[in-house]
Amino acid sequence: KQEVTQIPAALSVPEGENLVLNCSFTDSAIYNLQWFRQDPGKGLTSLLLIQSSQREQTSGRLNASLDKSSGRSTLYIAASQPGDSATYLCAVRDSNYQLIWGAGTKLIIKP
Amino acid sequence: EPEVTQTPSHQVTQMGQEVILRCVPISNHLYFYWYRQILGQKVEFLVSFYNNEISEKSEIFDDQFSVERPDGSNFTLKIRSTKLEDSAMYFCASREGTGSIEQYFGPGTRLTVT
Repeated sequence: KQEVTQIPAALSVPEGENLVLNCSFTDSAIYNLQWFRQDPGKGLTSLLLIQSSQREQTSGRLNASLDKSSGRSTLYIAASQPGDSATYLCAVRDSNYQLIWGAGTKLIIKP
Repeated sequence: EPEVTQTPSHQVTQMGQEVILRCVPISNHLYFYWYRQILGQKVEFLVSFYNNEISEKSEIFDDQFSVERPDGSNFTLKIRSTKLEDSAMYFCASREGTGSIEQYFGPGTRLTVT
């Protein structure tokens, strides 16, 4: 059974720093991996989607990498801003197109 | 830009009551999903729906739950007799079709069972 783990559970960094969020999964047979952002009490905003055949995806200050064989993905945020404060969720898509989710990393960017 | 919408944003109901959560998927999408997130816990898959029938469902999706696409636009999740543990955020998502991999999520409905 696929399990998705995100480390750390919470992270607080000063504004301007670069940071890395980690996601690991137990079964490498995934179709793709997706990073989401969730603001408190709000919905899910898709940030980046990496196909199983890809190694990374970039969008603005965000870069997500995927190492399927080792079951790992990272989300790199460059030059963090207070507006980046949110919970970041990692989810992998299995063969049934179901999304299996991590518990998230709660990120706080201090001004 | 087309988006998935959900109503209501917040629903409060008493234990044992029936609730219907509504979603309007993106208009040309064919695959529909419900997920839930209990406060402080992971997002969990509930059910997927295609061609007017359930294609997959999780262990959570027991006989108390049902889904329906009553017309060409709405996709609903019904909980027949709510329990305290049904309190959660419920997310609807839709996907365009074969070859399109990304699910688009609605803003969620927060269900509070008292």
